[in-house]
Amino acid sequence: ILNVEQSPQSLHVQEGDSTNFTCSFPSSNFYALHWYRWETAKSPEALFVMTLNGDEKKKGRISATLNTKEGYSYLYIKGSQPEDSATYLCAFIGMGGSARQLTFGSGTQLTVLP
Amino acid sequence: DGGITQSPKYLFRKEGQNVTLSCEQNLNHDAMYWYRQDPGQGLRLIYYSQIVNDFQKGDIAEGYSVSREKKESFPLTVTSAQKNPTAFYLCASIQTGTGPTEAFFGQGTRLTVV
Repeated sequence: ILNVEQSPQSLHVQEGDSTNFTCSFPSSNFYALHWYRWETAKSPEALFVMTLNGDEKKKGRISATLNTKEGYSYLYIKGSQPEDSATYLCAFIGMGGSARQLTFGSGTQLTVLP
Repeated sequence: DGGITQSPKYLFRKEGQNVTLSCEQNLNHDAMYWYRQDPGQGLRLIYYSQIVNDFQKGDIAEGYSVSREKKESFPLTVTSAQKNPTAFYLCASIQTGTGPTEAFFGQGTRLTVV
């Protein structure tokens, strides 16, 4: 079983605060690391697909960094808004074989208080 | 519009009965995945398939079976051997062969076994 871990498990912040979450994954046989945002009663939606060590991606107030050598990725949200409240998932895909297993972390549940 | 359709959204079955959950995609994606989520936990991989007529066990395949007779369809059967079948089931698909891309998800099926 591939070990993909996310921390913290849950987080409550005030509107306007900046926050960040961590995803750790196997540092060997890396292919890609995904970040998804999952709102209640909706399907998960992709935020970022990251492939290169040192990658930094940004979408509005949300950004992510990737360190494949040490096996971690950070997701940052600047100036959190109530609409950012959701569960944030990371997913690891490894190299090797003909099949690509997409393994998720357990997620970080973010609540932004107005 | 392209997407993934899971049906039904809610499903109730009596203990000891097999039940099949549907997942259909019209995105022309090669790879498809089935996940299970229990309350307070993350997405755990049940089965995945990279091509038609081929599939691999995920981390929690016991008590489940799948088929991939068509590219667009990946049904999951929850058998009577699955000890705790009540859960939320999520189907995903992803394009392969064109470099790392994001996964797309269905709306999920919530199965309750009584």
